[in-house]
Amino acid sequence: NAGVMQNPRHLVRRRGQEARLRCSPMKGHSHVYWYRQLPEEGLKFMVYLQKENIIDESGMPKERFSAEFPKEGPSILRIQQVVRGDSAAYFCASSPDRGLADTQYFGPGTRLTVL
Amino acid sequence: GNSVTQMEGPVTLSEEAFLTINCTYTATGYPSLFWYVQYPGEGLQLLLKATKADDKGSNKGFEATYRKETTSFHLEKGSVQVSDSAVYFCALTGTSGTYKYIFGTGTRLKVLA
Repeated sequence: NAGVMQNPRHLVRRRGQEARLRCSPMKGHSHVYWYRQLPEEGLKFMVYLQKENIIDESGMPKERFSAEFPKEGPSILRIQQVVRGDSAAYFCASSPDRGLADTQYFGPGTRLTVL
Repeated sequence: GNSVTQMEGPVTLSEEAFLTINCTYTATGYPSLFWYVQYPGEGLQLLLKATKADDKGSNKGFEATYRKETTSFHLEKGSVQVSDSAVYFCALTGTSGTYKYIFGTGTRLKVLA
């Protein structure tokens, strides 16, 4: 039973390029969450998606960031025109349901470095 | 709003020492509480959780009790091993089905042989 999968594990981009981060939730999970971890900080919620729907993107910057979870395929977090401040670890989590106290299972993260 | 406060690290212990990592929270209602562990270069793994007051979560020798009167969820282990060296995150999820995890800043633990 594979866990949450993320790729790539490490991504290097130059300022102004685009970054695409992928997340495949655990089998049977229909809820996906993205978090960002800045160096020496805890994780901060960015966005919550279900299949083909963005439920809550209140933690995501309004500019340059977007997320999707299509009917088929992984969830994608897209960062356009990256800047140095986007350098962070981006974690995806999934859960089978959005019930109270439902545990989220985290992937290994994608570490984005912007040069 | 909801928040989590963890003791600052790093915490350095000798093998077989007793571990306590403090975690206190601020929340309305009755949040669920979690401890996650992050080993170097890896993602977060759920260590234990508690969903209501006085619940005790336990796993791999680690324990934490949900104390509503002191709004705390301190992590303890009686005898740490070198392999326990990692960053530990306390987190809560909101009441009424809120899905946003609120994380503390993490406490780095280093265990020396």
